[in-house]
Amino acid sequence: QVQLVESGGGVVQPGRSLRLSCAASGFAFNKFAIHWVRQAPGKGLEWVALISFDGSNRQFADSVKGRFTISRDNSKNTLFLQMNSLRADDTAVYYCARDSSSGQDVNRFDYWGQGTLVTVSS
Amino acid sequence: DIQMTQSPSSLSAPVGDRVTITCRASQSISSHLTWYQHKPGKAPNLVIYDASNLQTGVPSRFSGSGSETYFTLTITSLQPEDIATYYCQQSYSHPPTFGPGTKVEI
Repeated sequence: QVQLVESGGGVVQPGRSLRLSCAASGFAFNKFAIHWVRQAPGKGLEWVALISFDGSNRQFADSVKGRFTISRDNSKNTLFLQMNSLRADDTAVYYCARDSSSGQDVNRFDYWGQGTLVTVSS
Repeated sequence: DIQMTQSPSSLSAPVGDRVTITCRASQSISSHLTWYQHKPGKAPNLVIYDASNLQTGVPSRFSGSGSETYFTLTITSLQPEDIATYYCQQSYSHPPTFGPGTKVEI
């Protein structure tokens, strides 16, 4: 079955960096775009970033543009989110989520991981 | 960005009741509307896509309707396992945006 497992969360000081990973299994990873979506404590869901199935298209929310980068290793079925210059308002549970359409980005998320918590605090 | 709103922000209903959640978009999104169910500590679960299509494996008591700017999610007979927060999300234009959520309680 489709599985997405996030890792790499933790407590980090403002201004520092953190890299999240998302390990995928149970489907053809190299055929699907993958997104990062986050949920700050007590808040709703916020889309963060997208990488297309082949890595050729990468998009970011304005709130993280210039600070976060997204990449993938299709040979290892793994997605990454490099987060730099972290701020307190980046504190959230970060989910990776599969785009529902093979070969294109339709920005609809049919499978999600359980999430990894990132806390930015001094 | 397209703004999504939901009402109510929370509701409480008895088991077996019919429950309806409303979602509005700040501009027309055709039928590019998805509903998710999110339980605390769990991965969100896709319930309805393209405004009215039931995701495989989701119970038939869930249904969705609407188009353009107005959408509804209905649970025809509320069950204890339906306790969750429900989010609508538009995929009409980038960036994808979510509503603020509706918390459903028994």
